[in-house]
Amino acid sequence: SAVISQKPSRDICQRGTSLTIQCQVDSQVTMMFWYRQQPGQSLTLIATANQGSEATYESGFVIDKFPISRPNLTFSTLTVSNMSPEDSSIYLCSGRSGYTEAFFGQGTRLTVV
Amino acid sequence: DQQVKQNSPSLSVQEGRISILNCDYTNSMFDYFLWYKKYPAEGPTFLISISSIKDKNEDGRFTVFLNKSAKHLSLHIVPSQPGDSAVYFCAASWGDQFYFGTGTSLTVIP
Repeated sequence: SAVISQKPSRDICQRGTSLTIQCQVDSQVTMMFWYRQQPGQSLTLIATANQGSEATYESGFVIDKFPISRPNLTFSTLTVSNMSPEDSSIYLCSGRSGYTEAFFGQGTRLTVV
Repeated sequence: DQQVKQNSPSLSVQEGRISILNCDYTNSMFDYFLWYKKYPAEGPTFLISISSIKDKNEDGRFTVFLNKSAKHLSLHIVPSQPGDSAVYFCAASWGDQFYFGTGTSLTVIP
């Protein structure tokens, strides 16, 4: 399967600031997704990153808070905007091509202070 | 609403014995099921999958069983090894998206 490089792997940020997370896939993938994993909880889908168009957000997530870009089939970014301590979480990007398993980046552990 | 549930947050097993991890789901539209393993500070890695047209899939020490009537999925690891100690997530898919359980932390005791 393809390999996703995600960075940063961790960061500590001040409240009110923004952080952009990048994911680079080593081959073209049809679909890319962004997830959040809060402590003790499952992976929650934030949005599907659509190449060349606006991302599709899940209920409870909005573009102003989590703007996403996907300029091509191998790269995507997620920005966590105007951060608060409640945004402290692990953020994961994922890729999938067709009816196959999804593969993940190594995750970004975000702490907002 | 949690469509995929793993009711056991943790499991401890002796090395060499069988580990059984369980998962239940509610949506009968799910047609593809997967198990992922996650080590600390790493992303989930794919382990094994099963299509809804099958009831068993085996890959080495790992076997996944699917009981559609009960909406139940299980992962068997035989024999368990200390390197299997990790958090295991089950996932279900319908269309493009995956829905994940909350994970079961497996500890294999040497």
